[in-house]
Amino acid sequence: AQKITQTQPGMFVQEKEAVTLDCTYDTSDPSYGLFWYKQPSSGEMIFLIYQGSYDQQNATEGRYSLNFQKARKSANLVISASQLGDSAMYFCAMREGLTGGGNKLTFGTGTQLKVEL
Amino acid sequence: EPEVTQTPSHQVTQMGQEVILRCVPISNHLYFYWYRQILGQKVEFLVSFYNNEISEKSEIFDDQFSVERPDGSNFTLKIRSTKLEDSAMYFCASSVGQGETDTQYFGPGTRLTVL
Repeated sequence: AQKITQTQPGMFVQEKEAVTLDCTYDTSDPSYGLFWYKQPSSGEMIFLIYQGSYDQQNATEGRYSLNFQKARKSANLVISASQLGDSAMYFCAMREGLTGGGNKLTFGTGTQLKVEL
Repeated sequence: EPEVTQTPSHQVTQMGQEVILRCVPISNHLYFYWYRQILGQKVEFLVSFYNNEISEKSEIFDDQFSVERPDGSNFTLKIRSTKLEDSAMYFCASSVGQGETDTQYFGPGTRLTVL
């Protein structure tokens, strides 16, 4: 089974609108972290936001927020007030606790977001 | 703001040649990683490194790969005899700790093209 599933290969959003990028995960480890990264066309990987499995509140970071639903094993990224510069590939990733093999990030296949005027 | 740097940004090599990709992690970070991304595919973990030794490696990281921290700042990935299928973007990352709450910060990547 895939550990990270991103079901939307591509998304379009109008400038200034909000958009939700879906991510579901699969782990039996009680302790894990969920991360979102942005990859613009230039190729670099930019860290956006983090959610810990024990966090009581949804993470927020400027225009980015994470809709974390632990029981459903989903960690959707919400981008508010989209800007043209938000056009990029977005990756969801998970890092499991020590019982899950610790160090590495496991990535999803990504969602290509295009912001339109 | 401190960042991970990588050189070169693009490396072209002939099949069978050795390449060394270089990274300078963030200075107070203790854990270092290499990932690769074949064009159009997802990012895959290669190896993690701590205290001058490999702490974890994937099945991709076979005998043709090696990592080294030759001095206090650099972290390198060597591919001994490159194959066509090694063509990919290689990312270096670093983190303060190894816990599931520790964010890994990525460098800008080195695009390796094997001809």
